[in-house]
Amino acid sequence: AQTVTQSQPEMSVQEAETVTLSCTYDTSESDYYLFWYKQPPSRQMILVIRQEAYKQQNATENRFSVNFQKAAKSFSLKISDSQLGDAAMYFCAYRLGGSNYKLTFGKGTLLTVNP
Amino acid sequence: DGGITQSPKYLFRKEGQNVTLSCEQNLNHDAMYWYRQDPGQGLRLIYYSQIVNDFQKGDIAEGYSVSREKKESFPLTVTSAQKNPTAFYLCASTPPGGFYNEQFFGPGTRLTVL
Repeated sequence: AQTVTQSQPEMSVQEAETVTLSCTYDTSESDYYLFWYKQPPSRQMILVIRQEAYKQQNATENRFSVNFQKAAKSFSLKISDSQLGDAAMYFCAYRLGGSNYKLTFGKGTLLTVNP
Repeated sequence: DGGITQSPKYLFRKEGQNVTLSCEQNLNHDAMYWYRQDPGQGLRLIYYSQIVNDFQKGDIAEGYSVSREKKESFPLTVTSAQKNPTAFYLCASTPPGGFYNEQFFGPGTRLTVL
């Protein structure tokens, strides 16, 4: 079974600085997708960024980027120029390729942004 | 507006009672999912359905039941057999394959057993 591990239960960052959240996963498959979801205090889950395993290029979305290391099975999220609105729980998630879209989530990292 | 609705937002139940959580979507998505969220546990999959009249157990299906009679609706029943039902429940859906392979989430239902 696939597993997703987020080793940092909590992180903090100063406003305008950069922070990196870690995620590792375990799979024997070659076709899969990886996601970072954000859950603010409202508890609404919001997709931050996604990465297809077959793509070598790291995904970026404005201030959010990933460092995808397929051989190491690592998928870290970098948040640049952190803003107060970035404060949230962040979940890393894995999905096998194909037509079954169910996700396996890590336990989450609570990010605090200090003004 | 298209989206996923879950009702109610807060739900209280006495021990020994069954309770049904509603999930409706008007996104024309085929697949729907139920997750349970506990502090420090992330999201865990309870049940999912990829097509009407069909559903599969997830990782923690014991004590739960679902139905999928309509494409738009995927209600979750928490039965009295669920030993620790107090949690936050999230419903999600996914459009058919291709580029849009992300899951879209509803706002959640907080269930408290008294």
